[in-house]
Amino acid sequence: NAGVTQTPKFRVLKTGQSMTLLCAQDMNHEYMYWYRQDPGMGLRLIHYSVGEGTTAKGEVPDGYNVSRLKKQNFLLGLESAAPSQTSVYFCASRREFLSAHTDTQYFGPGTRLTVL
Amino acid sequence: KNQVEQSPQSLIILEGKNCTLQCNYTVSPFSNLRWYKQDTGRGPVSLTIMTFSENTKSNGRYTATLDADTKQSSLHITASQLSDSASYICVVSGGNQFYFGTGTSLTVIP
Repeated sequence: NAGVTQTPKFRVLKTGQSMTLLCAQDMNHEYMYWYRQDPGMGLRLIHYSVGEGTTAKGEVPDGYNVSRLKKQNFLLGLESAAPSQTSVYFCASRREFLSAHTDTQYFGPGTRLTVL
Repeated sequence: KNQVEQSPQSLIILEGKNCTLQCNYTVSPFSNLRWYKQDTGRGPVSLTIMTFSENTKSNGRYTATLDADTKQSSLHITASQLSDSASYICVVSGGNQFYFGTGTSLTVIP
């Protein structure tokens, strides 16, 4: 199992450019999440999905869009990148809730994005 | 307000020494508390997970404690190694939400 993978690992954009970050998981998890991590701040939730075809806004959704067309993939889009979106982006997945003892998120390796 | 606070923000210790990281939370309802280790340039990896009824959970040289009454948790690292240098993140879940601390950056020096 590869677990959670993210593409690309690094990217540099100019202000106003667009891009899509891809997250893939091979654990058949229902839930998927996109977070951003900035220095001195905890991981902040951008958008999440509770199943194929569904998405919902998190804490900091502005400037981002997402899609979950397939259960194993969760895409994060930036339509018009801004310098404030310079960050490290992490995707996570989680199985449906069975027990508090096993309820855990699995994270991908991250995508480091710089917007000039 | 649901919050997770970690201390210290950063810590430097000598190889072989022990250390303890703290996590205080105000999350309600409470489902579980997890400690993650995040190496530089990597995603967080779960170390331990504890529910309301568990006081202690160990994973090798890592031992986590939970006091659900005072809403405090600690992560104790025994006989530190250079590879323990990382950020340690406390995450509390409840009501199908996840609340992240800002992490403690640990540096182990030879």
